[in-house]
Amino acid sequence: NAGVTQTPKFRVLKTGQSMTLLCAQDMNHEYMYWYRQDPGMGLRLIHYSVGEGTTAKGEVPDGYNVSRLKKQNFLLGLESAAPSQTSVYFCASSTPRDGNYEQYFGPGTRLTVT
Amino acid sequence: GENVEQHPSTLSVQEGDSAVIKCTYSDSASNYFPWYKQELGKGPQLIIDIRSNVGEKKDQRIAVTLNKTAKHFSLHITETQPEDSAVYFCAASHTNAGGTSYGKLTFGQGTILTVHP
Repeated sequence: NAGVTQTPKFRVLKTGQSMTLLCAQDMNHEYMYWYRQDPGMGLRLIHYSVGEGTTAKGEVPDGYNVSRLKKQNFLLGLESAAPSQTSVYFCASSTPRDGNYEQYFGPGTRLTVT
Repeated sequence: GENVEQHPSTLSVQEGDSAVIKCTYSDSASNYFPWYKQELGKGPQLIIDIRSNVGEKKDQRIAVTLNKTAKHFSLHITETQPEDSAVYFCAASHTNAGGTSYGKLTFGQGTILTVHP
């Protein structure tokens, strides 16, 4: 079991460029989440998905889009990157089965927008 | 929506001492309070959690206490070791039988714990 994996691990973008971050989980989890982590601000929820083909906005969704075409994958897209999107991005997954609410996190992607 | 405040932002202790991190939450409907540990270069990992029908929970050297009336909860680490050095996050969530909260968490700002040998 690889758990939750994220690609790429690092990326540098110029302002206005676009990119997609990929998250994959092999635990058959229904729920998946994208967070951003900034110093002194903890983790903030960007978007989440409760199942294949569904997505919903979190706390800080502006400037991001997501898609969940397959249950095991959750993609985060930046259409026109801005310096304010410089951050570390984490993907997580969980399942509502058996009352366990634990979220399993990937290793993160460090994104720098210049 | 929910707001979670975490203190202190940094905590430095000597090996063997105890460490306490405190969090307050704003939404009285929150009923699930996990704590995550994040080691350098890694994603957060759940270390302990507590539900609102319980006042205290222990797991070896770590314990969490919850005061629903005051809307605060705390993480206690006893006999600290250098490997406890990490960033710790508290979080709050409202879980319900229908599952419509979808496990969404609101995190505190994080505490950088340093344990000196």
